[in-house]
Amino acid sequence: EIVMTQSPATLSVSPGERATLSCRAGQSISYSLAWYQQKPGQAPRLLFYGASNRASGVPARFSGSGSGSEFTLTISSLKSEDFGTYYCQQYSIWRTFGQGTKVEI
Amino acid sequence: QVQLLESGPGLVKPSETLSLTCTVSADSINSNYWWNWVRQAPGEGPEWIGEINRSGSTNYNPSLRSRVNISIDKAKNQFSLRLTSVTAADTAVYYCASRGLEHFGMDVWGQGTTVTVSS
Repeated sequence: EIVMTQSPATLSVSPGERATLSCRAGQSISYSLAWYQQKPGQAPRLLFYGASNRASGVPARFSGSGSGSEFTLTISSLKSEDFGTYYCQQYSIWRTFGQGTKVEI
Repeated sequence: QVQLLESGPGLVKPSETLSLTCTVSADSINSNYWWNWVRQAPGEGPEWIGEINRSGSTNYNPSLRSRVNISIDKAKNQFSLRLTSVTAADTAVYYCASRGLEHFGMDVWGQGTTVTVSS
């Protein structure tokens, strides 16, 4: 099983600030990575696939980057609706998710 | 766009079988998607359970494979999950989700259904 490690566990930011979330894979997964946003009581929402390909309807302030075993999700100028927990998921070998980064506004 | 809705018992006894159904609307289950099950225990990250396509081909999480069966019913536009020999560790919110063939990101999700394993 490929273990996905996300950091930090919690990120406290103010509106308008930049947020940088990290995801590390236990082995190289090339570009086989997706990012999801989840708000309390809701299902996850796909943000990116292929590490940097934005899903439909995702605002341009979100960007994904990285390859191999190191990946980053960046929110350039945080809005209040961006609070929630963000998960990375690898799909190189089966599928595994990270434990999440909670973004607090 | 396709819409998904989970249904099934909210309480299952230990050692029994958990059975859930996902109804696909606004699109046909015979479309070229993979139909997935994902669960999330309280306070944890999601866990992928497995998936099925319109031909009935399946992929399962190796850690659950011995207890999981996913099936498809085209006549009812549904796909289903069976998880045998459940324990308290199987208590979670269970989601059905879909992905296309172009990538492995799951872009449509149901609202989720809570299943508690308890006597």
